[in-house]
Amino acid sequence: GIQVEQSPPDLILQEGANSTLRCNFSDSVNNLQWFHQNPWGQLINLFYIPSGTKQNGRLSATTVATERYSLLYISSSQTTDSGVYFCAVERIAGNNRKLIWGLGTSLAVNP
Amino acid sequence: KAGVTQTPRYLIKTRGQQVTLSCSPISGHRSVSWYQQTPGQGLQFLFEYFSETQRNKGNFPGRFSGRQFSNSRSEMNVSTLELGDSALYLCASSTEWAPNEQFFGPGTRLTVL
Repeated sequence: GIQVEQSPPDLILQEGANSTLRCNFSDSVNNLQWFHQNPWGQLINLFYIPSGTKQNGRLSATTVATERYSLLYISSSQTTDSGVYFCAVERIAGNNRKLIWGLGTSLAVNP
Repeated sequence: KAGVTQTPRYLIKTRGQQVTLSCSPISGHRSVSWYQQTPGQGLQFLFEYFSETQRNKGNFPGRFSGRQFSNSRSEMNVSTLELGDSALYLCASSTEWAPNEQFFGPGTRLTVL
């Protein structure tokens, strides 16, 4: 089946720094999402981005579907950005729609 | 619009017992999916319900079951609990037009002793 790999697995930043998180996937996908899970476990949908670039405040994401990767950019990081960032890809096969998750990038932003 | 709610938030059970978790989706969302999250394993898909029918199923044993009611609320049941069932159980809801654009609840943290 399709593999989703995220890098780096762990990241420590100083407040104010910028970072890029990467998601590679092994086959063509119909859609891709980025999520943030805060330290209390709440998962928040950040971007629904099958291709192209989207921006939301200090966060932006770019998916290059033909090259099978997506990038999540965090600029001017804040301590509230800490948590785990997940990439999930959607694969549609007939009536079966599957969401396949990466293992996440654990980010700690220090004050 | 209220978000996805899950009850209870925390639960402690002993081996062999059974447990029922509840999920209320965002109003208007008819699809509900359940996930198990354990450290190092990421999110593992359990099942998805739409219009009271199980539409997709992950690779979990039959001890894990679910159902959905006519108001789209869903319950998940785990029978004969094992230590390895300790996890964060997440519920997500979505619309029928974008079933994989999912919005998550806060989760139920289950501890099996």
